[in-house]
Amino acid sequence: QVLLVQSGPEVTKPGASVKVSCKASGYSFIDYYIHWIRETPGQGLEWLGWIHPNTGATNYPQKFRGRVTMTASTSINTAFMELDSLKSDDTALYYCARSGTKDPFDFWGQGTLVTVSS
Amino acid sequence: QSVLTQPPSVSGAPGQRVTLSCTGSRSNIGAGYVVNWYQRLPGSAPKLLIYDYSKRPSGVPDRFSGSRSGASASLDIAGLQVEDEAEYFCQSYDTSLGRFYIFGTGTKVTVL
Repeated sequence: QVLLVQSGPEVTKPGASVKVSCKASGYSFIDYYIHWIRETPGQGLEWLGWIHPNTGATNYPQKFRGRVTMTASTSINTAFMELDSLKSDDTALYYCARSGTKDPFDFWGQGTLVTVSS
Repeated sequence: QSVLTQPPSVSGAPGQRVTLSCTGSRSNIGAGYVVNWYQRLPGSAPKLLIYDYSKRPSGVPDRFSGSRSGASASLDIAGLQVEDEAEYFCQSYDTSLGRFYIFGTGTKVTVL
C-alpha cells in the first residue's frame, strides 16, 4: 500500500534551518508530485510547494520563495523540505502529500512537528 | 492563511444528516476550480474523502457526498456514525496572490 513516512519532531531556534524528510513506498516514486503542507494555529493549512521527483522541478508560492527548498532522492524514494531563517510562527505540523497532475492529495504523511523556540 | 471559510464545528446524533459548508470567492471555487474534501481522525494523517466536488475514492462510504453551488461547496454526511467524529477540511485552487493550493479553516464534527 502507499505509505509516506516522515521524519521525527524537531526543536530548533529562530534563525536556524530545519530539514524534514518524507520516505515513499508502495508506488512509483518518480510518477507523482510530492507536496509540502503545514498547519499553524494562526494561519491554518498552508501549501509550501511541490517537487516532481523525476525531474526535480519545483514550484513554490510567493510567500515561501527564497526560504524553502524541496529536493528528492530517487535512489532512496525520499523527498526533503528545508525551511530557512526560521521564526516562531514557523512552528507548525508539516505534512508531505502525494498527487498526480492536477489531482487531489490522495495520500499524506503522518506529519512532523517543528517547534521554533529560543 | 486559509481562504476558504468553514464553520468551526457541527454536531449531530448517530443516524442524522449533517452538512458542512466551504465558502470561497470568485477567484477560487467561484472560478470553477474543483473542491476536494479531507477527513482527519484524531491523531491520524488526513485522508482524501471527496474529490472533484462529488467523487468518492475507492473505499469511502456512500454516506459521504459532495456538491458545489456558485462560490461554495458542501459535504453531506448522511446517517452519521460514531467513527465519523473527525475534522473535515476543504481544498481548492486559487491563482490570485500566488497561492495556488488553498484550504478551508476546518470543521470539527462531533457525534452526540
